[in-house]
Amino acid sequence: GAVVSQHPSWVICKSGTSVKIECRSLDFQATTMFWYRQFPKQSLMLMATSNEGSKATYEQGVEKDKFLINHASLTLSTLTVTSAHPEDSSFYICSAGGGPDTQYFGPGTRLTVL
Amino acid sequence: EDQVTQSPEALRLQEGESSSLNCSYTVSGLRGLFWYRQDPGKGPEFLFTLYSAGEEKEKERLKATLTKKESFLHITAPKPEDSATYLCAAAGAGSYQLTFGKGTKLSVIP
Repeated sequence: GAVVSQHPSWVICKSGTSVKIECRSLDFQATTMFWYRQFPKQSLMLMATSNEGSKATYEQGVEKDKFLINHASLTLSTLTVTSAHPEDSSFYICSAGGGPDTQYFGPGTRLTVL
Repeated sequence: EDQVTQSPEALRLQEGESSSLNCSYTVSGLRGLFWYRQDPGKGPEFLFTLYSAGEEKEKERLKATLTKKESFLHITAPKPEDSATYLCAAAGAGSYQLTFGKGTKLSVIP
């Protein structure tokens, strides 16, 4: 099956610093990738849709200047959390579309902001 | 606005005790209904996609069914390793975006 990786798997940073999370599709090309956030005991909430070669589309309520998304190639999308604060601590998960009817998810990145 | 509601929130079963999880959805022009399994601290693992009412899919002890308003995930003779959170998601017509329910946390006791 299709494999999506994320790096790092967990990160701890100080308040005010920026953190970059990578999402890679390892064995297929993905023109579209998605970024989700999941708080404890909650479901996945879509943050943004990342499109290769164009600007990301953000969901309502998600600050595009705080969560910078770059989809530089057909296998890589990055999410940068700028000026992170404790309330940004969460589990960030990306997914990549292997086709119109399938989304494969990465293993997630646990972000803790002190 | 698309909505997906799952019930129950949590389900505790004895090993071998079959049951069903429910997923109710309100989506404009359903393109697909998805089931995922999520283990703690991990990303969701794809299980099934259902496209039209009446469709059924099976994988080992799991069977997913779909009607015009809801989907069921039937678990037959579950084992402790089936313990996980099961997520349901729906996608509308012409969209890749998934709307997720909050999940059902299944615990299977030996």
